[in-house]
Amino acid sequence: DSGVTQTPKHLITATGQRVTLRCSPRSGDLSVYWYQQSLDQGLQFLIQYYNGEERAKGNILERFSAQQFPDLHSELNLSSLELGDSALYFCASSDRGGAGTEAFFGQGTRLTVV
Amino acid sequence: GDSVTQMEGPVTLSEEAFLTINCTYTATGYPSLFWYVQYPGEGLQLLLKATKADDKGSNKGFEATYRKETTSFHLEKGSVQVSDSAVYFCALSPRTGGNQFYFGTGTSLTVIP
Repeated sequence: DSGVTQTPKHLITATGQRVTLRCSPRSGDLSVYWYQQSLDQGLQFLIQYYNGEERAKGNILERFSAQQFPDLHSELNLSSLELGDSALYFCASSDRGGAGTEAFFGQGTRLTVV
Repeated sequence: GDSVTQMEGPVTLSEEAFLTINCTYTATGYPSLFWYVQYPGEGLQLLLKATKADDKGSNKGFEATYRKETTSFHLEKGSVQVSDSAVYFCALSPRTGGNQFYFGTGTSLTVIP
């Protein structure tokens, strides 16, 4: 158990809908990362937050947004969903946001868009 | 840009065989390098890491050495077990900026008794 909790574990929704994925980092970790894992694109970095502030941005679509709350949990919002958004979404956390810090991953949320 | 190139799979080995999974990287400066493992239905777990040239990371019988001259971080294990069956990801974290990881495509390993 990495200590990173993601909910829900599975989500099935229709095209055009909006969903929210939730992540609770390990106790004491200030940095949260979101990754998307799909068969065709592998593991792609989406976005990083550190202590409530956006730290780095990757291949995140404009339809997607994230935030980190004062209690350090994070939410990833996906809107106007398309079939191609079906993927496994991972959250990870680390104690610092600096380069080279190892990250601990949650078990992921599997999103299926039908 | 920064990237990781990883040996294509799948790889099938007999128990007690020697394992090598090749990983090379492209990066500006000297990144930190990692191997993560993903067991079926689970998230990624850190297997080992190295933060500077010539460092050797090791864990659970797995080893990888940070080779700056060949920009490589190959994963090795002398004697694999059935329980090592999983997908292995090589990753780098750049020295500057945030701490985003760039992952390889993953190598699926199956160990048969």
